[in-house]
Amino acid sequence: AQSVTQLGSHVSVSEGALVLLRCNYSSSVPPYLFWYVQYPNQGLQLLLKYTSAATLVKGINGFEAEFKKSETSFHLTKPSAHMSDAAEYFCAVSSDTGRRALTFGSGTRLQVQP
Amino acid sequence: DAGVIQSPRHEVTEMGQEVTLRCKPISGHDYLFWYRQTMMRGLELLIYFNNNVPIDDSGMPEDRFSAKMPNASFSTLKIQPSEPRDSAVYFCASSFQISGNTIYFGEGSWLTVV
Repeated sequence: AQSVTQLGSHVSVSEGALVLLRCNYSSSVPPYLFWYVQYPNQGLQLLLKYTSAATLVKGINGFEAEFKKSETSFHLTKPSAHMSDAAEYFCAVSSDTGRRALTFGSGTRLQVQP
Repeated sequence: DAGVIQSPRHEVTEMGQEVTLRCKPISGHDYLFWYRQTMMRGLELLIYFNNNVPIDDSGMPEDRFSAKMPNASFSTLKIQPSEPRDSAVYFCASSFQISGNTIYFGEGSWLTVV
């Protein structure tokens, strides 16, 4: 079985501040981990993914995430928030065995205050 | 390349009517997924196909829902009869098997059943 838990359904930061969105996963086999972003009234867009190569993964729009096996975490960070980062962010997990479909977390809505 | 294409983008229908949602996956992708997004339940996997064959339909809510993939470039999700609780955004997504399980999403079909 596989699952992800996103801590905090809403996160609010000031423009220019650090963004930290938390994700913990559960998987019985080595996982693939993803972060997707959803802007209002749009579909989901891949931000970055971890596929067992480097543990620090860089994505689009200045985001990055670090895979920490010991903590079963894959937190998403960005050093300086921009107003355009306001969106909903989803962490997801899958693996090579069993189900190939992504299992999504419940999402974290990021607000960026001017 | 064109992304995943879904139609209609928006549909409002009356309870009891049949609804058909359509999807064209990215050319060359061999996996196709149908997800549903609601405020209450988040993103749920309904069904997915591999090489046009349904692999896992355990997420289909009930017999009112059916999905088909007659060929590699087309899939439908049908709801008959529709109910107000079916109101949601339905996403189609596709992936290519060796891409580390990255799944690419369409823009979604926004369904309202009144």
